[in-house]
Amino acid sequence: TQLLEQSPQFLSIQEGENLTVYCNSSSVFSSLQWYRQEPGEGPVLLVTVVTGGEVKKLKRLTFQFGDARKDSSLHITAAQPGDTGLYLCAALNAGGTSYGKLTFGQGTILTVHP
Amino acid sequence: DAGVTQSPTHLIKTRGQHVTLRCSPISGHKSVSWYQQVLGQGPQFIFQYYEKEERGRGNFPDRFSARQFPNYSSELNVNALLLGDSALYLCASSLAHKHPGTEAFFGQGTRLTVV
Repeated sequence: TQLLEQSPQFLSIQEGENLTVYCNSSSVFSSLQWYRQEPGEGPVLLVTVVTGGEVKKLKRLTFQFGDARKDSSLHITAAQPGDTGLYLCAALNAGGTSYGKLTFGQGTILTVHP
Repeated sequence: DAGVTQSPTHLIKTRGQHVTLRCSPISGHKSVSWYQQVLGQGPQFIFQYYEKEERGRGNFPDRFSARQFPNYSSELNVNALLLGDSALYLCASSLAHKHPGTEAFFGQGTRLTVV
């Protein structure tokens, strides 16, 4: 079973600051996804990374997949209040009896103050 | 096109009762998964169904069961409810279940409160 550890668990920053959220595991991922969830809503997919060392950018968000495919990071530049939410990393199980299962980290609650 | 729809959105039940939660996937999606999200934590995998067959099961007791219908909609049933079953139950649909990186689309969830 893959266990994902996210850090930090809570992040409270001022508008305009930069931040990084980390997702780590002792297991190798076949692929990793980042989601954002707002209160009362389901998670919404931001990005999928598949290749070790891969870097993807989505406007002010930069996602990086570790070379060994055991860790990932999400960096937000010049955070805005609209970035507030729960950020989740999730590993896709690519084998065994739970093919297609997503294993989520515990999440990072980000609050961006105006 | 409608996204993943779940019903009801909120539900209050008493300990010992049973509950049925419903999910309609995005049109054309054949895979439905169920997740439980306790407040302050990430979602935990409960079941995955594809083409009406169970393809994956998480570490949940037998009180939890599910099924998928010919139109690919799905139900999650929980018997003998416990206080600890209070959570947001999320349904996710995807085109298939075997492709790494397949995008899962989540519904807004059903907030279950057991009192």
